[in-house]
Amino acid sequence: DAGITQSPRHKVTETGTPVTLRCHQTENHRYMYWYRQDPGHGLRLIHYSYGVKDTDKGEVSDGYSVSRSKTEDFLLTLESATSSQTSVYFCATTGTTNEKLFFGSGTQLSVL
Amino acid sequence: DAKTTQPPSMDCAEGRAANLPCNHSTISGNEYVYWYRQIHSQGPQYIIHGLKNNETNEMASLIITEDRKSSTLILPHATLRDTAVYYCIVRSFKSNFGNEKLTFGTGTRLTIIP
Repeated sequence: DAGITQSPRHKVTETGTPVTLRCHQTENHRYMYWYRQDPGHGLRLIHYSYGVKDTDKGEVSDGYSVSRSKTEDFLLTLESATSSQTSVYFCATTGTTNEKLFFGSGTQLSVL
Repeated sequence: DAKTTQPPSMDCAEGRAANLPCNHSTISGNEYVYWYRQIHSQGPQYIIHGLKNNETNEMASLIITEDRKSSTLILPHATLRDTAVYYCIVRSFKSNFGNEKLTFGTGTRLTIIP
């Protein structure tokens, strides 16, 4: 939906390595979000962005950083991946505060 | 941010109306109620949202109580493809940026029975 592409779709990495997930949107939406989904926890907000170079922390931001140098791209970086960061990561976007949220297809990340 | 409470699971017979309840007793006056669903491991999909009036679209109806402390999502004629996890969400704002930040709980797993 809304031209959202997440890459990679699947990633297996080792503990301690850096990992970057990419969210790309073609709708010129202002707001972008990164969520993680784990069994028993639903979707939890990691970081969000309300414009280019404007970002803020969500409820589970420890161990993650983000960057938004262009409207269309929102990057999520795990500086040193840990096994507790094994999860499914979803990117979402919305154009205004009254619009619905559009989600990407997710990235399955496994940290061994 | 207002929190929501939903039953963890529900069953509904195919062809019948599925009624999914949500409690949001701490909702404030300018907060909307949103419903999303997630089928298998796909990204969540928007269904409907409302403020105080009942709403209907091609997918569902949303009934919000007069005191706005609870709501019900109604799928009028459930099909097997409606089997999914349904999330009831209250939208919050950061007033200084007018930013929207949705907080998802664990939702209700709805199973449509043939």
